[in-house]
Amino acid sequence: GENVEQHPSTLSVQEGDSAVIKCTYSDSASNYFPWYKQELGKRPQLIIDIRSNVGEKKDQRIAVTLNKTAKHFSLHITETQPEDSAVYFCAAMDFGNEKLTFGTGTRLTIIP
Amino acid sequence: DAGVIQSPRHEVTEMGQEVTLRCKPISGHNSLFWYRQTMMRGLELLIYFNNNVPIDDSGMPEDRFSAKMPNASFSTLKIQPSEPRDSAVYFCASGAAQYFGPGTRLTVL
Repeated sequence: GENVEQHPSTLSVQEGDSAVIKCTYSDSASNYFPWYKQELGKRPQLIIDIRSNVGEKKDQRIAVTLNKTAKHFSLHITETQPEDSAVYFCAAMDFGNEKLTFGTGTRLTIIP
Repeated sequence: DAGVIQSPRHEVTEMGQEVTLRCKPISGHNSLFWYRQTMMRGLELLIYFNNNVPIDDSGMPEDRFSAKMPNASFSTLKIQPSEPRDSAVYFCASGAAQYFGPGTRLTVL
């Protein structure tokens, strides 16, 4: 089955700086890569996703890149703000079976 | 649209008792997923349904856990008998993009 590794497990960034979280996956059949943000005590919420036919996608301060050859994808947050503090999860899925495999999460702390 | 609805939001029970968690997915979504989240094990997929049919239950920890989806608008996850190690937050999610419900925080004493 699919295995997703996520790094780092914790990340502290000065407000205004950029944050990068990286994930690798093992199953070359995976073709959908969403990212979720989970604030303390709340549900995971989808913030951005990318499909395997695209190398990069951007939504305001958030961007995701995908390298299918190397089987890794990354989340980039620019101009970080205190409200970006949360746990971020990457995930991978083969749309054929709808089964998401999650990374272990990155706790991002934005230092004011 | 109310999103995914879960009940109860919090459940405290004693070891050995039966626990039933409920989920109402977003109308029109064909797939429904049950997850368990703990600090130690992270987010684990327990089971998922497509068109009310269980597709993959390989994540169900043991026979004490069972899940049903009698119709497109309702699913249950049952634990019988419950044990302290079942304490976790249980999420239901619906749709291919997996919109999560608010979760049920289960504490088994």
